[in-house]
Amino acid sequence: NAGVTQTPKFRILKIGQSMTLQCAQDMNHNYMYWYRQDPGMGLKLIYYSVGAGITDKGEVPNGYNVSRSTTEDFPLRLELAAPSQTSVYFCASTLRRVSGYTFGSGTRLTVV
Amino acid sequence: AQKITQTQPGMFVQEKEAVTLDCTYDTSDPSYGLFWYKQPSSGEMIFLIYQGSYDQQNATEGRYSLNFQKARKSANLVISASQLGDSAMYFCAMREGGNTGNQFYFGTGTSLTVIP
Repeated sequence: NAGVTQTPKFRILKIGQSMTLQCAQDMNHNYMYWYRQDPGMGLKLIYYSVGAGITDKGEVPNGYNVSRSTTEDFPLRLELAAPSQTSVYFCASTLRRVSGYTFGSGTRLTVV
Repeated sequence: AQKITQTQPGMFVQEKEAVTLDCTYDTSDPSYGLFWYKQPSSGEMIFLIYQGSYDQQNATEGRYSLNFQKARKSANLVISASQLGDSAMYFCAMREGGNTGNQFYFGTGTSLTVIP
């Protein structure tokens, strides 16, 4: 099924560990995004990309890094995980800026 | 100031009735887009409807319509003939059309429960 694929679905990290959240889309979308959703809250933009090789910070980029070496993949890297990064992470993509997003199913991350 | 405000944390509606979910927004950009998303208990985010700031008519998608009142800066979602499967969180979002053009702002959501 075409769409946005996120892995893993769940992860528990210890404070100070690192990990990469994977995101891949097969719809040839130029625009890709990473959001986090804290309990009872809306989504906040972490990083986004308008095409391969181009990334930029969103609203809450601290503690994260991204890369976009191909159109399909947009991994999110957490270095030195902190409890404040406990959240649900959503990757999304869109073909045009005026289109709605296609979201991945989310990654539930707990930092202990 | 909040870019997107959803003032109804929770709403209840009888099955087959219509319900309006409120959303107000704040922007000085003349070009922007307004979106509604549904998040069922399973957690995925589902795009429902889009309204552009220059669109003359209110957007409609099946049972969903967006009541766009530009002067009031409101973009309420109307769901007609509610179904049990409509029970979910609903998020209003805005994207400004300026040179960043990619910053989506989400509201805190409204939890809708459809009662049989």
